[in-house]
Amino acid sequence: DSGVTQTPKHLITATGQRVTLRCSPRSGDLSVYWYQQSLDQGLQFLIQYYNGEERAKGNILERFSAQQFPDLHSELNLSSLELGDSALYFCASSPRGLTEAFFGQGTRLTVV
Amino acid sequence: GENVEQHPSTLSVQEGDSAVIKCTYSDSASNYFPWYKQELGKRPQLIIDIRSNVGEKKDQRIAVTLNKTAKHFSLHITETQPEDSAVYFCAASHKGYTDKLIFGTGTRLQVFP
Repeated sequence: DSGVTQTPKHLITATGQRVTLRCSPRSGDLSVYWYQQSLDQGLQFLIQYYNGEERAKGNILERFSAQQFPDLHSELNLSSLELGDSALYFCASSPRGLTEAFFGQGTRLTVV
Repeated sequence: GENVEQHPSTLSVQEGDSAVIKCTYSDSASNYFPWYKQELGKRPQLIIDIRSNVGEKKDQRIAVTLNKTAKHFSLHITETQPEDSAVYFCAASHKGYTDKLIFGTGTRLQVFP
């Protein structure tokens, strides 16, 4: 167990809908990263938050948004869902400094 | 923007042989280079990392080398075992600035008994 908790583990929804994925980082970790992993694909960086503020953005679609709350948990909002959004969404957290990022178990999103 | 290229995309080796995976990065300010192993259906997990002030690091059968001038780093697995079969990702980060962790495209390693 990495200490990073993601909910839900699985999510099935229809095209055009909106979903929210939740991530609780490890205790004390200020950085939260979101990644998208499509079938047999790599880890695409979406966005990073540090202590409540957006720190870096990757190839995140305008239909997607995220935030990090004062208690440091983070939510990734995906709207106007398309079939191609079906993927495994990982959250990772890390403390400050030259150290590893710890991944959660991921949320598997299926858009039908 | 920052980019990390990883080769090969697939690698098949016989048990006991060595495996080498190579990555190049574009951001010369990158200072932290982790390697993650992802088994089927599981989360990526760190197996080894190296910082920019070090040229090589070993941990049992795994080693990583870094060439800052050429902006590339490599993962070496010796005496491979079937349980080494997984997808391996390299990554690069400019820690202390953006902290953004950019991953390579992954290498699927298969170790045949």
